[in-house]
Amino acid sequence: GEDVEQSLFLSVREGDSSVINCTYTDSSSTYLYWYKQEPGAGLQLLTYIFSNMDMKQDQRLTVLLNKKDKHLSLRIADTQTGDSAIYFCAEGAGGYNKLIFGAGTRLAVHP
Amino acid sequence: KAGVTQTPRYLIKTRGQQVTLSCSPISGHRSVSWYQQTPGQGLQFLFEYFSETQRNKGNFPGRFSGRQFSNSRSEMNVSTLELGDSALYLCASSLANWAREGTDTQYFGPGTRLTVL
Repeated sequence: GEDVEQSLFLSVREGDSSVINCTYTDSSSTYLYWYKQEPGAGLQLLTYIFSNMDMKQDQRLTVLLNKKDKHLSLRIADTQTGDSAIYFCAEGAGGYNKLIFGAGTRLAVHP
Repeated sequence: KAGVTQTPRYLIKTRGQQVTLSCSPISGHRSVSWYQQTPGQGLQFLFEYFSETQRNKGNFPGRFSGRQFSNSRSEMNVSTLELGDSALYLCASSLANWAREGTDTQYFGPGTRLTVL
């Protein structure tokens, strides 16, 4: 069935890189997404990757996709305190804009 | 371009009542999806509308319903509210132009926080 798994917590020092990992089950997913949620807010789209790509870079964000292992990661370079939030991995599955979300990884950035 | 807007932002209801939430998509976006977010279940897909038709539905009881208008605005309704319906309800819109790659990408609104007492 459809399932997306993420680790729940990550703590990093300001200026270091953060790597958030995600595994998914639906090999037919065309797109995979990363969203960010700050307290009391909706979901902000960070980036997405098409399933035929291995990597996508967007400023401080790098997404790596290992389709064989169904593993997706988000690397944030030079992590800042403003990056503290919950990060959700999502796969487009089940047709017609149905996103399956992971439980979210809470990123804490400390000085 | 304005983002997805949702009204109201906060709502308090009592058990047994019904509620209607509204969502206005990004201008030009034709697909609207609804999600429920709770601490216990996380983010769960409710349904998706395109051209006033429900094309996809999640595993929620029939008390949850929705509709889409000709201007792509959407409403969702929850009847006979239960305590467990307390959640953040998120609406997302996408361009949904099948001829163009990447237009399924969903952009979310700020959500409506519903509290059922």
